[in-house]
Amino acid sequence: DIVMTQSPDSLAVSLGERATINCKSSQSVLYTSNNKNYLAWYQQKPGQPPKLLIYWASTRESGVPDRFSGSGSGTDFTLTISNLQAEDVAVYYCQQYYSSPPRTFGQGTKLEIK
Amino acid sequence: QVQLVESGGGVVQPGGSLRLSCEASGFTFSHYGMHWVRQAPGKGLEWVALVAYEGSNKYYVDSVKGRFTISRDNSRNMLYLQMNSLRAEDTAVYYCAKDWAELLFNYYYMDVWGKGTTVTVSS
Repeated sequence: DIVMTQSPDSLAVSLGERATINCKSSQSVLYTSNNKNYLAWYQQKPGQPPKLLIYWASTRESGVPDRFSGSGSGTDFTLTISNLQAEDVAVYYCQQYYSSPPRTFGQGTKLEIK
Repeated sequence: QVQLVESGGGVVQPGGSLRLSCEASGFTFSHYGMHWVRQAPGKGLEWVALVAYEGSNKYYVDSVKGRFTISRDNSRNMLYLQMNSLRAEDTAVYYCAKDWAELLFNYYYMDVWGKGTTVTVSS
């Protein structure tokens, strides 16, 4: 099974600043046949279910503010939140969908306001 | 609007059984694979099971194989998770989620989630 490891486990960032969350997979999730990275990011606010933010490593889901961006390829990925807002406080998860199930998530990164 | 509503959670003793349900609306349920994902108290997300859009292919995380069964009734827009031989470590909020891919036997990310139902396994 592909293991997803996020870093850091938690971080505190000032309002208006940039937050960076990393995700590393134990094997590449890049399909060379279509040049797509099979990686998604989710946001989970307290007391709420997860919400899809980004898929194919860098494509924002409809309605997601453009201050959220995803980057990376192969085994190393980054979720960047620019101009941090108070409503961005949440736990963020990466998830691979490269291989046959099981689907695996990272352990989560808790984002707080400094 | 697209919606998933879970039900069936509760408190059950170790070794007991429970059946979770998920009612889908706002999309053509029979066209999409469906997942169950759980979250233990204070912990992260754990994928549990997946069923193909027409119900033939089913997949499970190793820790529930032989104990849990995922199924669906496309005529009623319903997804189920039959949980037997429950253990304390199965205590979690269980979410149903829709796969992105339509009419495919490939499975991708989860683009719609329900609010979850809570299962507590305790004596």
